[in-house]
Amino acid sequence: DQQVKQNSPSLSVQEGRISILNCDYTNSMFDYFLWYKKYPAEGPTFLISISSIKDKNEDGRFTVFLNKSAKHLSLHIVPSQPGDSAVYFCAASLSNDYKLSFGAGTTVTVRA
Amino acid sequence: NAGVTQTPKFQVLKTGQSMTLQCAQDMNHNSMYWYRQDPGMGLRLIYYSASEGTTDKGEVPNGYNVSRLNKREFSLRLESAAPSQTSVYFCASSEWQYSNQPQHFGDGTRLSIL
Repeated sequence: DQQVKQNSPSLSVQEGRISILNCDYTNSMFDYFLWYKKYPAEGPTFLISISSIKDKNEDGRFTVFLNKSAKHLSLHIVPSQPGDSAVYFCAASLSNDYKLSFGAGTTVTVRA
Repeated sequence: NAGVTQTPKFQVLKTGQSMTLQCAQDMNHNSMYWYRQDPGMGLRLIYYSASEGTTDKGEVPNGYNVSRLNKREFSLRLESAAPSQTSVYFCASSEWQYSNQPQHFGDGTRLSIL
């Protein structure tokens, strides 16, 4: 049973607007969360992460928000650019463990 | 700086054939991983190697074996390929095996088993 779920398989957004990607998890023991970005025919690349001791982490245009009580995290991309068109994977783990549980991914398309 | 290199990029096998997927990293990382990605599912860990000389099973190890040849190289072997092993396989590495050290991925091997 998947412990990390990305319920929106796809998202289309206009260039310059905000993209919001959502991720839910079921294991309350998870305490470290990551987002990876993947272009076609390439491997995933690390984008941003957050520890459960925080509720927000920001890196340039990318911000991840964590709501532990709801077991929910989101990735905000502001402003969205054409190069952001990719598949985004949410992953969760215990911070002292190697094992990442991945969501199925959300395909983002940024329209000009 | 190549990062993580996987060979081959594509392969078609017949059921029952054997195959070794190669992976090498040039970042002096200690930990290496093999994942598979199937449609509608996230990446699932097949095997991992925390450090040179050690390997351990991940979430979906059945039908696979691995070898950590040295610090740089980590290979995945399918002894008798089955159609259910049709997938995209990714190798990854990280400095150590803790999740707060991001994993770096290769570009994948697309494997089809007929």
